[in-house]
Amino acid sequence: DAGVIQSPRHEVTEMGQEVTLRCKPISGHDYLFWYRQTMMRGLELLIYFNNNVPIDDSGMPEDRFSAKMPNASFSTLKIQPSEPRDSAVYFCASSPNTWGMNTEAFFGQGTRLTVV
Amino acid sequence: EDQVTQSPEALRLQEGESSSLNCSYTVSGLRGLFWYRQDPGKGPEFLFTLYSAGEEKEKERLKATLTKKESFLHITAPKPEDSATYLCAVRGSNDYKLSFGAGTTVTVRA
Repeated sequence: DAGVIQSPRHEVTEMGQEVTLRCKPISGHDYLFWYRQTMMRGLELLIYFNNNVPIDDSGMPEDRFSAKMPNASFSTLKIQPSEPRDSAVYFCASSPNTWGMNTEAFFGQGTRLTVV
Repeated sequence: EDQVTQSPEALRLQEGESSSLNCSYTVSGLRGLFWYRQDPGKGPEFLFTLYSAGEEKEKERLKATLTKKESFLHITAPKPEDSATYLCAVRGSNDYKLSFGAGTTVTVRA
């Protein structure tokens, strides 16, 4: 398997523009997580899905952020409108399950977002 | 809420100089403690999962141990290629997310 695939790897956009980040999880994984990483706050969970259904979105900073998972092989994280404080590295991760053994999450390479 | 604290923040080692990283945690019903390695510009790479106190796992020069309150990542005779940020995370019984510590950045000089 190619692992978790994220696109784009880098995104530079102007304040106020819409940004869409994409993720393809590992085939067969039931859980998908979106994290944000900054120097100040480290890795923060934004939202996670189980079998394509959003389970916990309490980490989404505000209404400007939204996430969807239309099918088991694709998820998007959208920011509209974007602001400079959204600049960070956004990671997608997937996990086969969270019970018993082999519950680890595997991360993609991330999307580095810069909002100017 | 799950809490993870890692120490030290940074560790500079000479090649061959063994050391340990600490991960202290507070969680309601531990369902897994995870160690990841992160290189600059890359995503976290999974290393180990520990499920119960007393458990140990090894991979090359790395050995992870777990007690009821903390985990240690021991690096034995490190090499420059072991330089990275090491992240610790926990999953509790109340939900399915991984809560991460801030990480320990290890630099190994030749």
